[in-house]
Amino acid sequence: AQSVTQPDIHITVSEGASLELRCNYSYGATPYLFWYVQSPGQGLQLLLKYFSGDTLVQGIKGFEAEFKRSQSSFNLRKPSVHWSDAAEYFCAVGRGPSSNTGKLIFGQGTTLQVKP
Amino acid sequence: DAGITQSPRHKVTETGTPVTLRCHQTENHRYMYWYRQDPGHGLRLIHYSYGVKDTDKGEVSDGYSVSRSKTEDFLLTLESATSSQTSVYFCAISETPVTQETQYFGPGTRLLVL
Repeated sequence: AQSVTQPDIHITVSEGASLELRCNYSYGATPYLFWYVQSPGQGLQLLLKYFSGDTLVQGIKGFEAEFKRSQSSFNLRKPSVHWSDAAEYFCAVGRGPSSNTGKLIFGQGTTLQVKP
Repeated sequence: DAGITQSPRHKVTETGTPVTLRCHQTENHRYMYWYRQDPGHGLRLIHYSYGVKDTDKGEVSDGYSVSRSKTEDFLLTLESATSSQTSVYFCAISETPVTQETQYFGPGTRLLVL
């Protein structure tokens, strides 16, 4: 069965510091991978997605993520964090080309706090 | 932003009462989903729809039913609300499941069952 693990429930970084949020998935074939962000009281906004091709994908707000098949990981990175990046981040996995439902499995989420 | 609205945005109800949440989209997307969000669990799929009158269960469907009589509307019903159904409910839509699988989310409905 598919699963997604975000090992870090809560992360605190200083403004201007680099950020890496971890995501590990379990799926036998090539999955579709997503990162979403949720600001307090808001819905989820898509940051970036990986379907195929270049394993380093660029997203909105200066975020990027790298797909590493050998490690079953899709970690989210940002070189310099801004105070407005404080939010909850969700990694999600879909079944890719074998899917006919589009169902996504979400990780538990990582809450990012940014210190001034 | 994708045209997705949810109503109501907030609701307080009592145990045992029926509750219906509405998701409305203006994107004409075929696929619609209902999730619940709870601390420590992320988002979990309740039900989804792959067309008008075509629905199927997700991983946490017990106690919930859905209906989709029009492309734009997807209703989630709690037949007899319980305190364990206190949660934030999100609707999502996607254009196709295979080539996109990108889901766009509504603003959420916060439900409190007393």
